[in-house]
Amino acid sequence: AQTVTQSQPEMSVQEAETVTLSCTYDTSENNYYLFWYKQPPSRQMILVIRQEAYKQQNATENRFSVNFQKAAKSFSLKISDSQLGDTAMYFCALPHNAGNMLTFGGGTRLMVKP
Amino acid sequence: EAQVTQNPRYLITVTGKKLTVTCSQNMNHEYMSWYRQDPGLGLRQIYYSMNVEVTDKGDVPEGYKVSRKEKRNFPLILESPSPNQTSLYFCASSFGTESPLHFGNGTRLTVT
Repeated sequence: AQTVTQSQPEMSVQEAETVTLSCTYDTSENNYYLFWYKQPPSRQMILVIRQEAYKQQNATENRFSVNFQKAAKSFSLKISDSQLGDTAMYFCALPHNAGNMLTFGGGTRLMVKP
Repeated sequence: EAQVTQNPRYLITVTGKKLTVTCSQNMNHEYMSWYRQDPGLGLRQIYYSMNVEVTDKGDVPEGYKVSRKEKRNFPLILESPSPNQTSLYFCASSFGTESPLHFGNGTRLTVT
């Protein structure tokens, strides 16, 4: 069975600083995708970034980047120049091959402080 | 506008009273699924559907039913709700396993 673990239930960061959210996973698949989703207080689920496991290059989307270590099964999210609007729950997720369901981690609540 | 529409946004009910949460997508996605979100547990899959008339259980299907009679709609049915089904529910859809999920805005369900 697949598992996704986020070991930091809560984190805080000062505005404009950098923060890294960790995620580890276990899967028997060789080719797969990994996702980070953001859930602000509005409770919408918003895709932050996607990583393809067969690509060695780490994905980047503006201030968001990942550190993907396939052998270690680690997929951390780095947020640079943190903004107040980054305050949210962040979920790491790994797809099942069947039915395109996702296995989610327990989430990390990030607070950006002014 | 491409979206997943989920209703109602909030629902309070009593134990045993059947309810349905509706979900509709306008993106012609094959895949649709339901999740429940509970503190510390993230989101867990309830049911999913790979196409019309094709549904299967997720990780926590007990106490839930679904149907997929049309491609765009995927309602979640609780025949006899119980307090342990109090949760935040999300419907989601996508084209396939490589595609990100598009989520509805969630339904906060309280069963007393």
